[in-house]
Amino acid sequence: AQSVTQLDSQVPVFEEAPVELRCNYSSSVSVYLFWYVQYPNQGLQLLLKYLSGSTLVESINGFEAEFNKSQTSFHLRKPSVHISDTAEYFCAVLNSGGYQKVTFGTGTKLQVIP
Amino acid sequence: DTGVSQNPRHKITKRGQNVTFRCDPISEHNRLYWYRQTLGQGPEFLTYFQNEAQLEKSRLLSDRFSAERPKGSFSTLEIQRTEQGDSAMYLCASSPRRGQKTTDTQYFGPGTRLTVL
Repeated sequence: AQSVTQLDSQVPVFEEAPVELRCNYSSSVSVYLFWYVQYPNQGLQLLLKYLSGSTLVESINGFEAEFNKSQTSFHLRKPSVHISDTAEYFCAVLNSGGYQKVTFGTGTKLQVIP
Repeated sequence: DTGVSQNPRHKITKRGQNVTFRCDPISEHNRLYWYRQTLGQGPEFLTYFQNEAQLEKSRLLSDRFSAERPKGSFSTLEIQRTEQGDSAMYLCASSPRRGQKTTDTQYFGPGTRLTVL
C-alpha cells in the first residue's frame, strides 16, 4: 500500500515571493512521483515527474521538485511565483513495478496575493 | 493529439436516476482509468482498463457503478440509482502501453461534474 501526505491545505504567498509545497509519501516498494496542477473547474495537468535519474526535476514554467529517498519527500518549489500560479497542486505516487493505480494527496491550494 | 475528452462536462440529476458518462482517451493509449474527486480531496482511483479488459476495481466502486470499454477505445461509467453521496467530479485518464515513452504518465481529461439533488 502507498500513501501521500500534503500537510498544507492552503498556502498564501505574495507575488514574486518563493514558495515550497510539501509532499511526503509512504510505500513499501519503489515509486514514481508526480506533481499535478488543477486550475478551477478544470482537470489535472501534469506539472513534473520523477521516474529515475537526477533527483531534481523541473517544469517548463519554473517549478522544480527534488526526490529525497531518505526523507521520503518530493517537495515542490518555485523561486518567484506569479498570479497565474494560483491553483491547487496535487502530489501523487505510482508503484513502479505493479499496475498503474496512482495515489494522490489531498492537495494544496496555492493562493498568490498581488 | 487532442487529449482526453469527457462528456458531459456537467450533469445534474435527481436522486434515484441513472447517469452515464463517456471518456475518449488519447487515441494511441491502451490504458484507461477512472477516478472520483470530491470537494477538498485528491482524486481516488475507481477502476482501470487495459484495452477492453477491466483489470482492477476499487472498493469505492459499489454494485451501483459499472464501467465498460467494449472495443478498447472509449469507456463509459454508469451509476445506477444515484445518491447524493455520488456528487463529485469524475475524472478519466489514459496512458500509453508499456514500452512506449511516457508509459508511466497518466493524462487526465477535464472531468464530469455530477450533482445529485
